Amino acid sequence: EPEVTQTPSHQVTQMGQEVILRCVPISNHLYFYWYRQILGQKVEFLVSFYNNEISEKSEIFDDQFSVERPDGSNFTLKIRSTKLEDSAMYFCASLTGRTGAKNIQYFGAGTRLSVL
Amino acid sequence: RKEVEQDPGPFNVPEGATVAFNCTYSNSASQSFFWYRQDCRKEPKLLMSVYSSGNEDGRFTAQLNRASQYISLLIRDSKLSDSATYLCVVNMDSSYKLIFGSGTRLLVRP
Repeated sequence: EPEVTQTPSHQVTQMGQEVILRCVPISNHLYFYWYRQILGQKVEFLVSFYNNEISEKSEIFDDQFSVERPDGSNFTLKIRSTKLEDSAMYFCASLTGRTGAKNIQYFGAGTRLSVL
Repeated sequence: RKEVEQDPGPFNVPEGATVAFNCTYSNSASQSFFWYRQDCRKEPKLLMSVYSSGNEDGRFTAQLNRASQYISLLIRDSKLSDSATYLCVVNMDSSYKLIFGSGTRLLVRP
């Protein structure tokens, strides 16, 4: 069964450093997402990406965050200058978005980001 | 008011029990509804979509009441492996972004 893959599974970084979280969505899916989940809290939407541009972003997704789909397969989330409060699980998801298909999002296993 | 509200639990039930979870959502424009399951420190996994007519998948039954903005999940004959957090999830716009509830924790004991 096709799956969304994320790397690394765990990233440890120092406050102020840049991190890039990587995702390979399911091939032929058209919509891509990043969500985050702070330990003990609910899953929160960060950003959606369609047709090579951001289609929607949340208040959390400020200027420190950016997304890119550099090569047609990878989908990356960059945090420019990490803060302690960025420590969380980051989930990538993709959705087919094709006419007539079920609008179900499939999630990757997540990257646990620890900012020290 | 929270966009998606769930009883956090935990629900602690014996194997074989029937357990029901409820959820309410605030935005009447919500379009699609789901129950996801999340195991500790794992990704959310789709359990089932929820339709207005109600739908069943084995031991799991989901109901949607659009007028009351209420969603439910019924689990019959609980198994130990059902122990997890159950997430009520809605989406409401053309980007298909998902809005999650905080989840209801289920513990099934032997």
